[in-house]
Amino acid sequence: NAGVTQTPKFRILKIGQSMTLQCTQDMNHNYMYWYRQDPGMGLKLIYYSVGAGITDKGEVPNGYNVSRSTTEDFPLRLELAAPSQTSVYFCASRRGVGRQETQYFGPGTRLLVL
Amino acid sequence: QKEVEQNSGPLSVPEGAIASLNCTYSDRGSQSFFWYRQYSGKSPELIMFIYSNGDKEDGRFTAQLNKASQYVSLLIRDSQPSDSATYLCAVSDGGADGLTFGKGTHLIIQP
Repeated sequence: NAGVTQTPKFRILKIGQSMTLQCTQDMNHNYMYWYRQDPGMGLKLIYYSVGAGITDKGEVPNGYNVSRSTTEDFPLRLELAAPSQTSVYFCASRRGVGRQETQYFGPGTRLLVL
Repeated sequence: QKEVEQNSGPLSVPEGAIASLNCTYSDRGSQSFFWYRQYSGKSPELIMFIYSNGDKEDGRFTAQLNKASQYVSLLIRDSQPSDSATYLCAVSDGGADGLTFGKGTHLIIQP
């Protein structure tokens, strides 16, 4: 049981390049999330999904896109990378609802845009 | 807009003492409250959750919730150097859009 896995661990992009951050969970959770964390800051929600084929925007969606074709995978796409997207990206999946909810985080992807 | 406020610190506490971390939140509809520990360069790790007013204890950790004051706290007894980390407070209203996080408090346990 690997939990939530993310690839790559670290990536350097040039301005204007595109990339996909991969996220996979093996816990059969319907809810999945993408957050970004800037230095000294908390996590901000980019996109989330409540199940295969269903996604919605979070607090900071601009410059990103997501898809959810399976329960396990929730990739995050960056189009036309900008320096403002330099951050650490965390994927999470969620067990339970309401008072029983618990989120499990992947190890993160560090992205540097130069 | 939902907001979660924490003192960013650093909070310096001697080894063996009690560390007290505080958090306030703006959304009265919040149902569940979480404390995550995050070591430098690592992902957040859930250490405590609470959803009823009062105290909840788990080992050296105690979470306290006061919904009337919209206040959550985390006490760490017998602080150890390994407790040095950033502690993130997070709240949920039970909706699909998940957790709202504070910026975190950087805790330093001095040997």
